[in-house]
Amino acid sequence: GDSVTQMEGPVTLSEEAFLTINCTYTATGYPSLFWYVQYPGEGLQLLLKATKADDKGSNKGFEATYRKETTSFHLEKGSVQVSDSAVYFCGHDYKLSFGAGTTVTVRA
Amino acid sequence: GAGVSQTPSNKVTEKGKYVELRCDPISGHTALYWYRQSLGQGPEFLIYFQGTGAADDSGLPNDRFFAVRPEGSVSTLKIQRTERGDSAVYLCASSPRGWTSDTDTQYFGPGTRLTVL
Repeated sequence: GDSVTQMEGPVTLSEEAFLTINCTYTATGYPSLFWYVQYPGEGLQLLLKATKADDKGSNKGFEATYRKETTSFHLEKGSVQVSDSAVYFCGHDYKLSFGAGTTVTVRA
Repeated sequence: GAGVSQTPSNKVTEKGKYVELRCDPISGHTALYWYRQSLGQGPEFLIYFQGTGAADDSGLPNDRFFAVRPEGSVSTLKIQRTERGDSAVYLCASSPRGWTSDTDTQYFGPGTRLTVL
């Protein structure tokens, strides 16, 4: 069945470091892909999305490109800040089919 | 301009009891979703409503779980004969158009933390 495999955490980085969180999916067809984020003490919120192959979603300095050939939607940010500390979830389609999430901690 | 709200925020019950969890979606949103998030896991899809009808209930784990949305707005998730394994955070989300549009975005509520003793 459809599923998402997400890089396990936790990930600890220093401020201004480069962040990558890997996400691959299995699905029939070409589902919409999403990254959601959960900041400490807050609810889930959409970070970015892409609805078709080669689309690039971007928000708050984060980017992810829908790669049909590798069935991937890796999340990247060139220079993280302490405020990016959160749990990140990759998902697809309306069921989202979230992975377990990746906890990211950014140290000053 | 309120977001998705869920009540109660916390619910403690005893094994075998019946519970109802309520979700108030963003006004005007056609679609409504329920998820369950166990500790250390990502949210797991339970059911999706398009208007008043359940368009996909394939995520409901068994027949103890049931959800309704009688007027196409507020939804109630009902759990009968609760078990300790039902303990989790139950999340509700709504979206403007539902999955007739693949650009739809789901907006999540804060969740109800259910603890079954």
